[in-house]
Amino acid sequence: AQSVTQLGSHVSVSEGALVLLRCNYSSSVPPYLFWYVQYPNQGLQLLLKYTSAATLVKGINGFEAEFKKSETSFHLTKPSAHMSDAAEYFCAVSGSGATNKLIFGTGTLLAVQP
Amino acid sequence: GAVVSQHPSWVICKSGTSVKIECRSLDFQATTMFWYRQFPKQSLMLMATSNEGSKATYEQGVEKDKFLINHASLTLSTLTVTSAHPEDSSFYICSGRGHPDKGSQYFGPGTRLTVL
Repeated sequence: AQSVTQLGSHVSVSEGALVLLRCNYSSSVPPYLFWYVQYPNQGLQLLLKYTSAATLVKGINGFEAEFKKSETSFHLTKPSAHMSDAAEYFCAVSGSGATNKLIFGTGTLLAVQP
Repeated sequence: GAVVSQHPSWVICKSGTSVKIECRSLDFQATTMFWYRQFPKQSLMLMATSNEGSKATYEQGVEKDKFLINHASLTLSTLTVTSAHPEDSSFYICSGRGHPDKGSQYFGPGTRLTVL
């Protein structure tokens, strides 16, 4: 069985500050891990993914995440927040098989204060 | 990244009518398509998974006779909400996975369904 836990349903940062969104996973098989962003009334956009290659994954819009097996974590970071980063962020896990389903966390709403 | 479109983006219908939502993969072949439902301020709930040319596999608790899914081609899947009721009002999102990037799902923009 697989699951993800996102710590903090709401995170607020100041513009220019570090963004850190936390995600811990549980998986009985080597996981694939993903971060998606959702803007209001829109679908999900893939930010980045980990698929067993490099543990530090760089994504779009300056985001990156590090896979830490020992901590079962895949936290999302961005050095300097921008107002346009305000959105809902979802962490997700799946297995590596073609038929594996994505399991989503409950999401973290990021607010960026001017 | 790959692009998935949905149509319509929003729809309002009367209780008891049926609504069809289309999901298209525009620049890749979606061998597998997924349909999700999202309630306000909540995460995505997987409703069903469909492979091209096969019957959809529904998640526990999802009525397959109410939510009809067809995946007739590698670029098109449809979700039909039959005899819709107000409790079916929700945000429906599809996603596709396939060639060439088998490891990722790409999501459509969603369809807002309101049943009066």
